[in-house]
Amino acid sequence: DQQVKQNSPSLSVQEGRISILNCDYTNSMFDYFLWYKKYPAEGPTFLISISSIKDKNEDGRFTVFLNKSAKHLSLHIVPSQPGDSAVYFCAASRIYNFNKFYFGSGTKLNVKP
Amino acid sequence: DTAVSQTPKYLVTQMGNDKSIKCEQNLGHDTMYWYKQDSKKFLKIMFSYNNKELIINETVPNRFSPKSPDKAHLNLHINSLELGDSAVYFCASSQGPGYTFGSGTRLTVV
Repeated sequence: DQQVKQNSPSLSVQEGRISILNCDYTNSMFDYFLWYKKYPAEGPTFLISISSIKDKNEDGRFTVFLNKSAKHLSLHIVPSQPGDSAVYFCAASRIYNFNKFYFGSGTKLNVKP
Repeated sequence: DTAVSQTPKYLVTQMGNDKSIKCEQNLGHDTMYWYKQDSKKFLKIMFSYNNKELIINETVPNRFSPKSPDKAHLNLHINSLELGDSAVYFCASSQGPGYTFGSGTRLTVV
């Protein structure tokens, strides 16, 4: 039973536009969330995080929004650049247990020049 | 200088064989992990070690045995390989919530 789901396997966006990647979770005990970015033949790299005490966290072009009541988070990339083309994974855990993150299946983002 | 390095990058082997994947991190992190990316692309935790001690052992067949000789190394040994073991295996380390992953080992069992 997958506790973190990314229902869109792929997303295509024009350069300069906004990319919105979505993630849903089922476990209401999760209170810490991360996004990772993965290029082919490389491991995932940490991108941005958010804890449940906040509903938004921003880092440059990347913003993560958390809707606890809907058990939903999203990653916004504005403006999108071709170098953002990668697979994006969301992950969730309990804040006292960073040793165990649950990952989604990833969304492949393609930013077209 | 690679932060988390795992070898080999690719491994093709026959059913029934025993194989090992090695992982080393030079970040000074206390915790290391093995994750498996299955055919549906989910990353699932297999094992977690903190300072050489096993702290998480998910529902993984006994054929999989991790070994941590020191806190910078976490190796994964797999006995009697099966077709279903084919996957990409990622090693990672952390000191807090953000993990640093290796580039993965693609294991193909034929």
